[in-house]
Amino acid sequence: EIVLTQSPGTLSLSPGERATLSCRASQSVTSNYLAWYQQKPGQAPRLLIHGASSRATGIPDRFSGSESGTDFTLTISRLEPEDFAVYYCHQYGGSPRTFGQGTKVEIK
Amino acid sequence: QVQLQESGPGLVKPSETLSLTCAVSGGSVSSSCCFWSWIRQPPGKGLEWIGYIYYSGSTNYNPSLKSRVAISLDKSKNQFSLTLTSVTAADTAMYYCAREGDAFDMWGQGTMVTVSS
Repeated sequence: EIVLTQSPGTLSLSPGERATLSCRASQSVTSNYLAWYQQKPGQAPRLLIHGASSRATGIPDRFSGSESGTDFTLTISRLEPEDFAVYYCHQYGGSPRTFGQGTKVEIK
Repeated sequence: QVQLQESGPGLVKPSETLSLTCAVSGGSVSSSCCFWSWIRQPPGKGLEWIGYIYYSGSTNYNPSLKSRVAISLDKSKNQFSLTLTSVTAADTAMYYCAREGDAFDMWGQGTMVTVSS
């Protein structure tokens, strides 16, 4: 089972600032099948990034994903008020599918 | 636009069986494009993948739940279902159905299931 470890647990930032979220995999993720989701209270998760760096349909270009080996990064270039939420990374290249424990981006 | 909608009892007694259904609209569970999945989230906690079913009927389950879970497909009704046996309080969670195309690209709104006597 691939374990995904996200850091930090909580990120306190102001609107307009840059957010950098990390996700480290315990082993190689097949074909870079790594995704990022945003979840707001009371809502289902929303897909932001798939294939480590491809934005999902309708996702603004301030969201970007990158990878370096088993380290994956989600960057939000300039935080908008609606971006404060919990973010999960997820690997779908192996079985079982697994998720990171989440990073909460909160207003400073 | 594909939409998914979960349905089922919100309260299940310990040791009994949890049964949920996910109705799919705007797309077909008979399509080879995707896997049809169940994911759950205990209150205040993270996401856990339960398993998926493919249009062919083949399934793949999380080993942590494999002995208690079954996912089935009803092509005539364009829906798929989850059964989880011998539930305990630890199974209390929001249960989501989702389509796995490019990752989990479509989700239902979720249904809360509480295990309690």
